[in-house]
Amino acid sequence: SQTIHQWPATLVQPVGSPLSLECTVEGTSNPNLYWYRQAAGRGLQLLFYSVGIGQISSEVPQNLSASRPQDRQFILSSKKLLLSDSGFYLCAWSVRARDTIYFGEGSWLTVV
Amino acid sequence: AQKVTQAQTEISVVEKEDVTLDCVYETRDTTYYLFWYKQPPSGELVFLIRRNSFDEQNEISGRYSWNFQKSTSSFNFTITASQVVDSAVYFCALSGMIKAAGNKLTFGGGTRVLVKP
Repeated sequence: SQTIHQWPATLVQPVGSPLSLECTVEGTSNPNLYWYRQAAGRGLQLLFYSVGIGQISSEVPQNLSASRPQDRQFILSSKKLLLSDSGFYLCAWSVRARDTIYFGEGSWLTVV
Repeated sequence: AQKVTQAQTEISVVEKEDVTLDCVYETRDTTYYLFWYKQPPSGELVFLIRRNSFDEQNEISGRYSWNFQKSTSSFNFTITASQVVDSAVYFCALSGMIKAAGNKLTFGGGTRVLVKP
């Protein structure tokens, strides 16, 4: 069966520091991968999605970037965090050509 | 542009009561998928159901049931005989049919359900 893991689960970072959140999917090949953010405990916003290695599409201009160095690895990064980057970040995956998206456990980021 | 509206921000019920969550969507696509996800306090989004726009049959899974009405662009979710473990935020979401660029879900704002013992 397929599983998705992301880490770290929680982190507190000072303003201006870098960020790296990692996500790995197991049990499937060539998945579509996604990063979502949930701010203020509510609405989910798609940040990035990827249909293959090195292929990244950004949905919202922001202080963040994403990379997909391997087929089942998706990384969310920032060179300098802002206070507004605080939130709950969710990695997700779907089987190519199908629409059900499955989410990871999430990462709580607090920028102080 | 796609839009999902969950007008109820919070619903509080006593255990064993039924609770219905409303979801209204807007899309120009002729074919699409609708979803419900549950977000317990732990934060993880748990997939509950996917419904194809061609299939308007209602569905029941245990205490959960879904009412899809294309004529009113609604996809409502009912929890029968609610339990404390049902306390969570529930999200309705909409996706266009298979797209080469990937599947992008549009989420509603969520409805927080609090089930009191």
